[in-house]
Amino acid sequence: SQTIHQWPATLVQPVGSPLSLECTVEGTSNPNLYWYRQAAGRGLQLLFYSVGIGQISSEVPQNLSASRPQDRQFILSSKKLLLSDSGFYLCAWGTGGSSDTQYFGPGTRLTVL
Amino acid sequence: SQQGEEDPQALSIQEGENATMNCSYKTSINNLQWYRQNSGRGLVHLILIRSNEREKHSGRLRVTLDTSKKSSSLLITASRAADTASYFCATVSYGNKLVFGAGTILRVKS
Repeated sequence: SQTIHQWPATLVQPVGSPLSLECTVEGTSNPNLYWYRQAAGRGLQLLFYSVGIGQISSEVPQNLSASRPQDRQFILSSKKLLLSDSGFYLCAWGTGGSSDTQYFGPGTRLTVL
Repeated sequence: SQQGEEDPQALSIQEGENATMNCSYKTSINNLQWYRQNSGRGLVHLILIRSNEREKHSGRLRVTLDTSKKSSSLLITASRAADTASYFCATVSYGNKLVFGAGTILRVKS
C-alpha cells in the first residue's frame, strides 16, 4: 500500500531564516506530487506540482520554491521566510489524469515569528 | 484561486441527524470531489462524482451534482461524533488540477 510522509510535523522559525520541508511517498512509482498551503480556517491553495523528476510547475508567485530530486521525494524551500509564510503545508500525491484522486500527507504546521 | 464555495461555513447537529453541505462552483468541470479533514490533519478523499453523473453513494454518504446549476451537495446520514471534521469540495477542470473551496466545519454533538 502507498504511504506519504512529511516532516517535520511542526516548525517554528524566525523571519529571514531558511526553510526546507520534505515529503516522500512509498509504494508507488512516478506519482504526481503537490504542495498546498492552508491558512487558518481556509481551503487549500496549490503552490507547486510536479509530474516527474526535475519538473516543477509553480501556481502562485511567492517566496517559496520546490524541487523534486528523486521520483518520490518533493521538497519545499525558502531562502528567507516571511511572516506571511506561516500556515499548514500539505503534500499530496496522485496518479494523474482527469479522475485523479489525491492522497495527502499529515502536514507541517509552520509558524514564522 | 478558489472555485468551490461551501455552504454553510459551519454546521452543528446532534448525533443521529443528517448533515447536508453544499458546494457551488463557477466554471465547467470534469469531476467534483469531496474530502474530509480532521483538525490539524491531512485531507482524506471521500467520493468523486463525474460531470456526467447526477448522484453517487458511498456508505452513509450521498453526493449529488447539478451541472446546470454548477452545484453539488454532500449528505451524511445518521451522523456520528466521529464525523466531526471540515469537509471540502474540490473541482477538477481541464488541466487536471484540484481547486478547493473554503470548506464546511461540521460538529456532531453526542
